[in-house]
Amino acid sequence: QVHLVQSGAEVKKPGASVKVSCKASGYTFMKYGISWVRQAPGQGLEWMGWISAYNINTNSAQKLQGRLTLTTDTSTSTSYMELRSLRSDDTAVYYCARDDRDDYGDYWGQGTLVIVSS
Amino acid sequence: DIQLTQSPSSLSASVGDRVTITCRASQSISSYLNWYQQKPGKAPKVLIYTASNLQSGVPSRFSGSGSGTDFTLTISTLQPEDFATYYCQQSYSTPRTFGQGTKVEIK
Repeated sequence: QVHLVQSGAEVKKPGASVKVSCKASGYTFMKYGISWVRQAPGQGLEWMGWISAYNINTNSAQKLQGRLTLTTDTSTSTSYMELRSLRSDDTAVYYCARDDRDDYGDYWGQGTLVIVSS
Repeated sequence: DIQLTQSPSSLSASVGDRVTITCRASQSISSYLNWYQQKPGKAPKVLIYTASNLQSGVPSRFSGSGSGTDFTLTISTLQPEDFATYYCQQSYSTPRTFGQGTKVEIK
């Protein structure tokens, strides 16, 4: 069965960076992409971006460009989301999801809470 | 960016009720519209993709319809486990925006 397991919660200071991992199992990693979605406390869902695991194409929200990097490591079936220059409004639960063609996530990780606070 | 507006923002319903949630896009998105269910503290779960396709494993009481700018998610007979927040999402253009959510509560 398909599983996506994310790294643990993080507390960061404003201006710092965070890198969240998403380890996939139960399917051929290179045949799918990974989307990243975040959810601020008590708020709705915000799409951040998508990366193909087979040709490393990426697509990301313009508001995050310059701060967001999505990568994959096919040797470990792991996708990474790095967000730099963190601000308090980056405090959120960050989710990864298996997403074949950058259209919808069919399997999701458990979420990673990132708190940005001085 | 394409804006998605869901209505209502919340509703109260009883087990056994028929529930309809609408999602209106700010421009035509063809059929590139997905529906998710999210329960508190849990990751979203896809219910419907490309407007009307039922995701594998999702009960048949969930259905989706629409194209262009107007879409509907229907729960034919509300079950206790269906009390949750529902989101629509468009995959027509970047960024892949979500609606603001519709919270379905117990009456």
